[in-house]
Amino acid sequence: EPEVTQTPSHQVTQMGQEVILRCVPISNHLYFYWYRQILGQKVEFLVSFYNNEISEKSEIFDDQFSVERPDGSNFTLKIRSTKLEDSAMYFCASSGLVQKETQYFGPGTRLLVL
Amino acid sequence: AQSVTQLGSHVSVSEGALVLLRCNYSSSVPPYLFWYVQYPNQGLQLLLKYTSAATLVKGINGFEAEFKKSETSFHLTKPSAHMSDAAEYFCAVSEDNQGGKLIFGQGTELSVKP
Repeated sequence: EPEVTQTPSHQVTQMGQEVILRCVPISNHLYFYWYRQILGQKVEFLVSFYNNEISEKSEIFDDQFSVERPDGSNFTLKIRSTKLEDSAMYFCASSGLVQKETQYFGPGTRLLVL
Repeated sequence: AQSVTQLGSHVSVSEGALVLLRCNYSSSVPPYLFWYVQYPNQGLQLLLKYTSAATLVKGINGFEAEFKKSETSFHLTKPSAHMSDAAEYFCAVSEDNQGGKLIFGQGTELSVKP
């Protein structure tokens, strides 16, 4: 069964460093998303992406964040200068042209900023 | 604005007992509703979804949920809990079927006692 994959599974970084989180969505999906879950809190929407541009972004998704689909398979989230409060589990999700409302999630990347 | 409220951050049941996890939503338009399950150290797995068809929705692992518009609820049930059901359960809402964001509740951790 097709699934969303994410790398790395864990990342530890120093405050102020740049990190890139990678996702491979389900191959025929066209809608892509990033969410995050700070430990003990709810899953929060960050950004959605369709047709090579951002469809919607939350207040959390400030200028420190960017997304890119560099090729036909990967979807990345970059944090330019990490802060302590960026420590969280980051989930990638994708949905298809049919049943656009149904999002399938990857296993997540746990980011720890020291 | 959409919101989701899950009553009870922790629910504990005995093996074989009924599972009832509560979810109430607010939405200005007919919603699309979802339940996701998160097993320890794993990503979010879709359990079931309501997309304006039948109000009683059956999902994987014996779970089902009923959409009640008058009560703005989408409670998740399972007649007989199994030890393997222990996980965190998230209710989510989307206001469209055009690839829009999901808004999540705060989650309910289900424990199953032998």
